[in-house]
Amino acid sequence: RKEVEQDPGPFNVPEGATVAFNCTYSNSASQSFFWYRQDCRKEPKLLMSVYSSGNEDGRFTAQLNRASQYISLLIRDSKLSDSATYLCVVNRWGNTPLVFGKGTRLSVIA
Amino acid sequence: DTGVSQDPRHKITKRGQNVTFRCDPISEHNRLYWYRQTLGQGPEFLTYFQNEAQLEKSRLLSDRFSAERPKGSFSTLEIQRTEQGDSAMYLCASSPGLAGGAGSTDTQYFGPGTRLTVL
Repeated sequence: RKEVEQDPGPFNVPEGATVAFNCTYSNSASQSFFWYRQDCRKEPKLLMSVYSSGNEDGRFTAQLNRASQYISLLIRDSKLSDSATYLCVVNRWGNTPLVFGKGTRLSVIA
Repeated sequence: DTGVSQDPRHKITKRGQNVTFRCDPISEHNRLYWYRQTLGQGPEFLTYFQNEAQLEKSRLLSDRFSAERPKGSFSTLEIQRTEQGDSAMYLCASSPGLAGGAGSTDTQYFGPGTRLTVL
């Protein structure tokens, strides 16, 4: 079993739609959680960190459920520019390598 | 540009040749990481440095791979006797490095990657 598992996708949604990505992790010692965004043939870029209390950044909301070892990302009012691969990422604590999921590809269609 | 830089951006080589990649981290970042990403997969950890010390190596890092960070600034990743299975994007990331342990967050910033194709 992979340490981080994500919805395989792809997700094809119309502009303005709300889309949710799910992720589970197997290592209960994981301490830090992130969503990274990766555009085609580009490097991953941090989208947002994920906290137990849940956090929101504009149209993006991330949630963490430690008991279920589950992470989610909600994108509201999708834009064409949101088209990318979204990577669920964990690490044991701040100073350790990141463990990535395979990523979920999102295509927002006009 | 003060981000992470990598060189070359693309490398095409024949099987059996040696290749070397370079990564320049963000200035004053103590930690430097190497990852490898193949098509349709997320990046996978290879190795990382705290200053010049190599602290961890993944099982993915066979004895054909070697990484150095001699002065605690830039790093090189060398692959000897390349194989077709080595074809991938090699990503470098750096982070400030935190004195804290559990509960602390140390954001990693990625470079543009070196895309290796082994023919």
